[in-house]
Amino acid sequence: DAKTTQPNSMESNEEEPVHLPCNHSTISGTDYIHWYRQLPSQGPEYVIHGLTSNVNNRMASLAIAEDRKSSTLILHRATLRDAAVYYCILSSSGGSNYKLTFGKGTLLTVNP
Amino acid sequence: DTGVSQDPRHKITKRGQNVTFRCDPISEHNRLYWYRQTLGQGPEFLTYFQNEAQLEKSRLLSDRFSAERPKGSFSTLEIQRTEQGDSAMYLCASSHHDRGGNQPQHFGDGTRLSIL
Repeated sequence: DAKTTQPNSMESNEEEPVHLPCNHSTISGTDYIHWYRQLPSQGPEYVIHGLTSNVNNRMASLAIAEDRKSSTLILHRATLRDAAVYYCILSSSGGSNYKLTFGKGTLLTVNP
Repeated sequence: DTGVSQDPRHKITKRGQNVTFRCDPISEHNRLYWYRQTLGQGPEFLTYFQNEAQLEKSRLLSDRFSAERPKGSFSTLEIQRTEQGDSAMYLCASSHHDRGGNQPQHFGDGTRLSIL
């Protein structure tokens, strides 16, 4: 499985934008970039995913570099409820797309 | 959409006992996954089903572990002769798989197992 690299932790202030980076230099052409987050004592929650183009949904935006070797999850206005561990995961559209391989993720702290 | 439901939320048992967990996926989802998560780590894949067929098992799934999805709906995960190292959060997820797609997985809130 292609691997991702994320900072261990990041800090933000409430109501400010947050940019969470992810490097995936060995990404293959069939790999989708997925983001999940996990709040304390809960299961992971799907945030967003994309292949090549930038994506927006009600939770966040995903900016994908032109060479696809990195991506950034953007939370437009952080709230205290956004404090969580954020995981960047590559998932193939081919035959092995049955499992998610989680790393340690980025622990996001949001200050009031 | 009532989400993925797992039961029980917490289980405490003595070493050597058998335990069984249940997962009810989102009703229209044909794939169901089990993961295990220990403190400070991300979830690790254990096994998955497409409908009632178990298609892949991780080497993490020792002979003491067995999972079933008898009618392609709910699933159970049983651990026999539990050991201290089995203490973890057991997470279930489901998704709808179609050819060529890459659909997200939806997770339950897990069953936390503690072995005394």
